[in-house]
Amino acid sequence: DTEVTQTPKHLVMGMTNKKSLKCEQHMGHRAMYWYKQKAKKPPELMFVYSYEKLSINESVPSRFSPECPNSSLLNLHLHALQPEDSALYLCASSQGGEAPNLFFGSGTQLSVL
Amino acid sequence: QKEVEQDPGPLSVPEGAIVSLNCTYSNSAFQYFMWYRQYSRKGPELLMYTYSSGNKEDGRFTAQVDKSSKYISLFIRDSQPSDSATYLCAMSGTGRRALTFGSGTRLQVQP
Repeated sequence: DTEVTQTPKHLVMGMTNKKSLKCEQHMGHRAMYWYKQKAKKPPELMFVYSYEKLSINESVPSRFSPECPNSSLLNLHLHALQPEDSALYLCASSQGGEAPNLFFGSGTQLSVL
Repeated sequence: QKEVEQDPGPLSVPEGAIVSLNCTYSNSAFQYFMWYRQYSRKGPELLMYTYSSGNKEDGRFTAQVDKSSKYISLFIRDSQPSDSATYLCAMSGTGRRALTFGSGTRLQVQP
């Protein structure tokens, strides 16, 4: 299994809602990532988990809250988002260690109304 | 100046052409170099991964890294309409797991 699976594929939420994005991989990778991508822009790093510990937080607003329950799962909890947070949210994983070649999921297309 | 520069295109070529995609970078600490292909509203797909300088070939794809010039390339031979996508270069240095992406080049292969 060489896939990173993200759910849901599409999400529409209001600014007062709480929702969660989920990501799963079964490649035995020990690093997992959240990226945000706006249309026609490259992905922007949000968070990195290494061996289930948060190792990088790119000054992301607290309305985004990551969680890594185990080495195969990664969640992103969303609360009180703004319309400008509408984007494609990508999960990725890598083996860990030095090699940073990431494998991405298909993403969750998020619209905040 | 951005750390990684990539021409956004669009680049339009006829089917069967050889495509050359390029990135330049300024950070001499970069050691790992990757090319991703991204279709519209989908996640990036890893195409090629190279460590340090040199060439790597995989089917119709060849990746080249010239660290002395801080220049990387991706060549696509016998291009197909299905190659139409955005191609992102990405790179990383030792000790930092996160990638620095180029802005992406949009490629259109005309049948």
